[in-house]
Amino acid sequence: AQSVTQLGSHVSVSEGALVLLRCNYSSSVPPYLFWYVQYPNQGLQLLLKYTSAATLVKGINGFEAEFKKSETSFHLTKPSAHMSDAAEYFCAVRINSGNTPLVFGKGTRLSVIA
Amino acid sequence: DTAVSQTPKYLVTQMGNDKSIKCEQNLGHDTMYWYKQDSKKFLKIMFSYNNKELIINETVPNRFSPKSPDKAHLNLHINSLELGDSAVYFCASSHGLAGETQYFGPGTRLLVL
Repeated sequence: AQSVTQLGSHVSVSEGALVLLRCNYSSSVPPYLFWYVQYPNQGLQLLLKYTSAATLVKGINGFEAEFKKSETSFHLTKPSAHMSDAAEYFCAVRINSGNTPLVFGKGTRLSVIA
Repeated sequence: DTAVSQTPKYLVTQMGNDKSIKCEQNLGHDTMYWYKQDSKKFLKIMFSYNNKELIINETVPNRFSPKSPDKAHLNLHINSLELGDSAVYFCASSHGLAGETQYFGPGTRLLVL
């Protein structure tokens, strides 16, 4: 079965600093990988996804992630943090095999300090 | 013109009661989902319907019964509510499965007293 591990339940960065949120996956077949963002008291919104095309994926709000098969990683980055980036971020994995569910990591809370 | 809507937004009820949460999507998607997010923000799939057929049922107690009257609606009925059912329940929809983006509703915050 596929799974996702997000390293760090809470990451704090200064405004303007690099954002790096880590995600490692486990899957027996090539996966689809997603990053979702959840702002307080809201539903989840897709930031970006990898579906076996380009390994460097660009998303909304200046975020990007790189699929590295050798490291089984899909880390999320943003060059310069903004106060509005403060939210909960979820990495998720799904495989293209039958009716398999989207499996989420436990989330990483990003705080941005002025 | 909300894409995925849920009602009610908040639900406070007593243990043992029966309650329903409704979900509607106007995106023309053929697949809908229910997720449960616990107090630690952990998000887990409960059910998935594709073209009104149940395709995913992730070991959820049978007190939870989803119903999909048509492709645009997926409702969740919960019998004999327990304290542990307190959570945020999210509905989502997508066009197909696998690599397709899931669009989430705003959530229903259920508190069982």
